[in-house]
Amino acid sequence: QQQVKQSPQSLIVQKGGISIINCAYENTAFDYFPWYQQFPGKGPALLIAIRPDVSEKKEGRFTISFNKSAKQFSLHIMDSQPGDSATYFCAASAGGAQKLVFGQGTRLTINP
Amino acid sequence: KAGVTQTPRYLIKTRGQQVTLSCSPISGHRSVSWYQQTPGQGLQFLFEYFSETQRNKGNFPGRFSGRQFSNSRSEMNVSTLELGDSALYLCASSLEVSREQFFGPGTRLTVL
Repeated sequence: QQQVKQSPQSLIVQKGGISIINCAYENTAFDYFPWYQQFPGKGPALLIAIRPDVSEKKEGRFTISFNKSAKQFSLHIMDSQPGDSATYFCAASAGGAQKLVFGQGTRLTINP
Repeated sequence: KAGVTQTPRYLIKTRGQQVTLSCSPISGHRSVSWYQQTPGQGLQFLFEYFSETQRNKGNFPGRFSGRQFSNSRSEMNVSTLELGDSALYLCASSLEVSREQFFGPGTRLTVL
């Protein structure tokens, strides 16, 4: 019940296209859902986060869509650029705790 | 503001040895969490410290321990190293009232 399932494992998108990564969870106590971006040799960097009282949040080219009834959330990267090529992780936490449960990650490649 | 710093960045140990990793959080951040990242298991939560007290613990054996000092700096220790402990160990810090966690670059531990 603590799992967060992420798909796809890898994704190739053409420059200018939309990248979409999906996550699903079981634990209804989760109330904070961040997305992280990780480049090789670096730690994960917080991209954007959402709470379940909001269905969508947009920051620049990055948008989180949240479906509470389906227990799913997704990251959309608009106008994808080669510099967006990285591994993306969704995560979730419950009850104000700092313990993040991560998805398995998606390796995104943007072809020029 | 300086980010989260971790030392050392790389470490090679042999089975049976012990190791201590250090993390300095962002100035003003009092919560420090540790995560293990491996290709097989992904990112897994180890523990979280706040005001020198362990506030949350993941599902790792007792060989993994940590502590936090009065200046919020944290250390984690792994005793009796096993080959499977080879991983990237990440530290993240956050403000007391925030869910946002900011990661350091990690310490790459290799156990031979």
